Amino acid sequence: AQTVTQSQPEMSVQEAETVTLSCTYDTSESDYYLFWYKQPPSRQMILVIRQEAYKQQNATENRFSVNFQKAAKSFSLKISDSQLGDAAMYFCAYRALTNAGKSTFGDGTTLTVKP
Amino acid sequence: DVKVTQSSRYLVKRTGEKVFLECVQDMDHENMFWYRQDPGLGLRLIYFSYDVKMKEKGDIPEGYSVSREKKERFSLILESASTNQTSMYLCASSLFGGDSYNEQFFGPGTRLTVL
Repeated sequence: AQTVTQSQPEMSVQEAETVTLSCTYDTSESDYYLFWYKQPPSRQMILVIRQEAYKQQNATENRFSVNFQKAAKSFSLKISDSQLGDAAMYFCAYRALTNAGKSTFGDGTTLTVKP
Repeated sequence: DVKVTQSSRYLVKRTGEKVFLECVQDMDHENMFWYRQDPGLGLRLIYFSYDVKMKEKGDIPEGYSVSREKKERFSLILESASTNQTSMYLCASSLFGGDSYNEQFFGPGTRLTVL
């Protein structure tokens, strides 16, 4: 079974600084998708960034980027120029290409942004 | 703007009551999901539906049932609520199919308290 591990239950960052959230996963599949979702306090969970396993280039969305290391089964999220609005719980998720629906989620990392 | 809505943001019920949590999506998605979110435990899948009247058990189906009579609506039923079902319940939807991202779109959540 696939598992997703987020080893940092809590992280904090100073406003305008850079922070990296870790995620590792375990799978025997060769093709899959990886996601980072953001859940702000009392607000809806939304997708931050996504990556296809067969694409070597790391995905980037404005201040958010990933470091995808397929061999190491690692998918970390880097947030540059952190803003107060980045404070949230972040979930890493995995979905196999062969799985038409279900994703496996990590336990989440709570990010605090200090002004 | 795409939407997943849930019938209640907060709900308080008594032990033994039958509880219905409703979820509606307007994106014509095939897949719908019910998760339970508890501190330190991440997102745990309760049930998954990939088509009308089709359902699949998730990781923690005990004490829950679901109904999907229409494509846009997915209901979670607690037949006899217990205090250990006090939690945040998240509904999500996605397109069906393995060979594209098909990320999940989440509702705002229902915080259920069982007294």
